[in-house]
Amino acid sequence: QSVLTQPPSASGTPGQRVTISCSGSNSNIETNTVNWYQQVPGTAPRLLIYSNNQRPSGVPGRFSGSKSGTSASLAISGLQSEDEAEYYCAGWDDSLYGAVFGGGTKLTVL
Amino acid sequence: HLQLQESGPGLVKPSETLSLTCSVSGDPIIDTVYYWGWIRQPPGKGLEWIGAIYYSGSTYYNPSLKSRLTMAVDSSQNQFSLDLSSVTAADTAIYYCARHDWSTSTPAFDYWGLGTLVTVSS
Repeated sequence: QSVLTQPPSASGTPGQRVTISCSGSNSNIETNTVNWYQQVPGTAPRLLIYSNNQRPSGVPGRFSGSKSGTSASLAISGLQSEDEAEYYCAGWDDSLYGAVFGGGTKLTVL
Repeated sequence: HLQLQESGPGLVKPSETLSLTCSVSGDPIIDTVYYWGWIRQPPGKGLEWIGAIYYSGSTYYNPSLKSRLTMAVDSSQNQFSLDLSSVTAADTAIYYCARHDWSTSTPAFDYWGLGTLVTVSS
C-alpha cells in the first residue's frame, strides 16, 4: 500500500491529452512539493517534473504538472507512442519523515 | 556529464548484509548542493526510497529500513555506499543510486544509475 495513490492504468490515442492523478494527505502533498518520474520498461526512472510544475532541461513541453491541496496531476498533451511508460509521483512525508512514491500508473498509447 | 554506477554482489544469502557502492563521475560528491542516495524496486513492483547521505555524513533514512541501514561517503574515491543488514527475500530488488537535489522540500532524484539487481536467496 503506497502512501501516495495513483490509478494503476491510463490510456489514450496519439495526439490526445491524458492526465494522471496522485492523491496524498496534509502530511505530504499539501505541505511539500511533488515530483514526477517516467520509467520505460527495462530502464531507470527519469525525472519528468519537479517542484510541482517545473520541467528539467530536455523534457518536452508536452508534459506539465499541477498541484492543489492534497492532490497533484501530471498532464501529457499531444500523446506520442514513446510516452508509453510507467509514471510515478513522489513527495516528502512530514509524519514519516521520508520520501514517498505513488504506486505507479502504466500509460498505454492505443 | 554526471554518471552514477552501482556495483556489488548480485546474490546475497538470507540474514547476511547487502553491500552496494555507487561510483560518481562528472561531479564531486562533496558538492554542497546535493545529497546522494538509494532507491529500490522489487521485480515488477513500484519504487521505494531507501535513504540519502550528504558529503559531511548527515543522513536521512527510510524509517521502515532505518534499523538495518547504514550509508557512508568516501569522498577520496567519489563514492558512496549502502549496507543493509539481516536481509530477507523481501529485500530482493533492483537497487538504484541517485543524486538528490534538495533545493525544494521534496528531493528531486535528477540523475540515476542504471540499477543493479540484488537477489536474496540461499
